[in-house]
Amino acid sequence: TQLLEQSPQFLSIQEGENLTVYCNSSSVFSSLQWYRQEPGEGPVLLVTVVTGGEVKKLKRLTFQFGDARKDSSLHITAAQPGDTGLYLCAGEDVNAGKSTFGDGTTLTVKP
Amino acid sequence: DTEVTQTPKHLVMGMTNKKSLKCEQHMGHRAMYWYKQKAKKPPELMFVYSYEKLSINESVPSRFSPECPNSSLLNLHLHALQPEDSALYLCASSQDPPLAGGHETQYFGPGTRLLVL
Repeated sequence: TQLLEQSPQFLSIQEGENLTVYCNSSSVFSSLQWYRQEPGEGPVLLVTVVTGGEVKKLKRLTFQFGDARKDSSLHITAAQPGDTGLYLCAGEDVNAGKSTFGDGTTLTVKP
Repeated sequence: DTEVTQTPKHLVMGMTNKKSLKCEQHMGHRAMYWYKQKAKKPPELMFVYSYEKLSINESVPSRFSPECPNSSLLNLHLHALQPEDSALYLCASSQDPPLAGGHETQYFGPGTRLLVL
């Protein structure tokens, strides 16, 4: 059973478009992270959200943590080719006693 | 500084070889992790060390043997691997262990790309 459901799995858009990636679970998370990973490299941390309802902005990226701390979203405005990569959400599951990753969203931004 | 370093970056080994992967962090983090990642899949947790002691082993085959010589170093010893073990091996660290009520965000190294022939 996948604790963190991430959608969509694949996303291909044109430069300048907006997009949203979702991370959902039936479990409560004490914190949730979003990472971006390029092929052959390690995941790079983008943000950690901790408080239910929290919204964080990082330039063109907006991250939201659900009020119940069971879901999160990543919104990218005016996507650029440099945003291409694998986006992963990960969370500390209070019931499982460890962190878990979503399946990832492969984003391709075409010039 | 949130840097985790891993060596080597690439490794090719035969099924009868013995090799080791190394990971280092100097952030004073108290938890360190090994993950295995196949192409276009999320990382899969293998081991967690908390305060230099093995706290989680995700039923990993004994041909993978972790070692934590001190609070900054984490090794993964490899012996008699199979071709299906070829993958990107990632090390990560966090200030506090999972669900300790502290700072659990994990910072990843660049990985070691392993090919088993």
